[in-house]
Amino acid sequence: DTAVSQTPKYLVTQMGNDKSIKCEQNLGHDTMYWYKQDSKKFLKIMFSYNNKELIINETVPNRFSPKSPDKAHLNLHINSLELGDSAVYFCASSQDHSGGEQFFGPGTRLTVL
Amino acid sequence: GQNIDQPTEMTATEGAIVQINCTYQTSGFNGLFWYQQHAGEAPTFLSYNVLDGLEEKGRFSSFLSRSKGYSYLLLKELQMKDSASYLCAVRDFSGYSTLTFGKGTMLLVSP
Repeated sequence: DTAVSQTPKYLVTQMGNDKSIKCEQNLGHDTMYWYKQDSKKFLKIMFSYNNKELIINETVPNRFSPKSPDKAHLNLHINSLELGDSAVYFCASSQDHSGGEQFFGPGTRLTVL
Repeated sequence: GQNIDQPTEMTATEGAIVQINCTYQTSGFNGLFWYQQHAGEAPTFLSYNVLDGLEEKGRFSSFLSRSKGYSYLLLKELQMKDSASYLCAVRDFSGYSTLTFGKGTMLLVSP
């Protein structure tokens, strides 16, 4: 009965590879998010989707492409991985886009070698 | 844009009270959140303030002063399990809710 789940939990890959991280929420929320938490633990918003529509796109390289097949899923595909992409990526969801508590997934620790 | 400032680290003793401060500057304020994050885990929601004053929830309380751009999280009767990072996050007034997080305060509770 996990609320927000992500796979994989750990991802180790070589520079230049393409990888995907999947996120699912079973809370019936309309809005989902991707955050990046760097080595200094700074948590920063990357994208937000509301009912499968992109509503927030911060200044993220276009190597990062989110996809939302339905409002319960938000996946993140990363092309041509770079060393600087190493971080923990958190998916989150909230009831809607007007605010309220955000529920976070367990995170995916990405290491680019 | 938004600027959020909180201390990097704090230490306290089991059973004590600790106050973690957060100051912010924002172009449009629409609420302040506190989250707790244990090492290697996801952030979890602690409290939300949108009006001035104190919100109490068990051992944790959060205070907001909008005119001063200031909030604090008060933790009472500290327990070892309270050792974690505490993140202050501000929501802006745009049509879509964006949370901007501070860099977090690492709290270490010692016996």
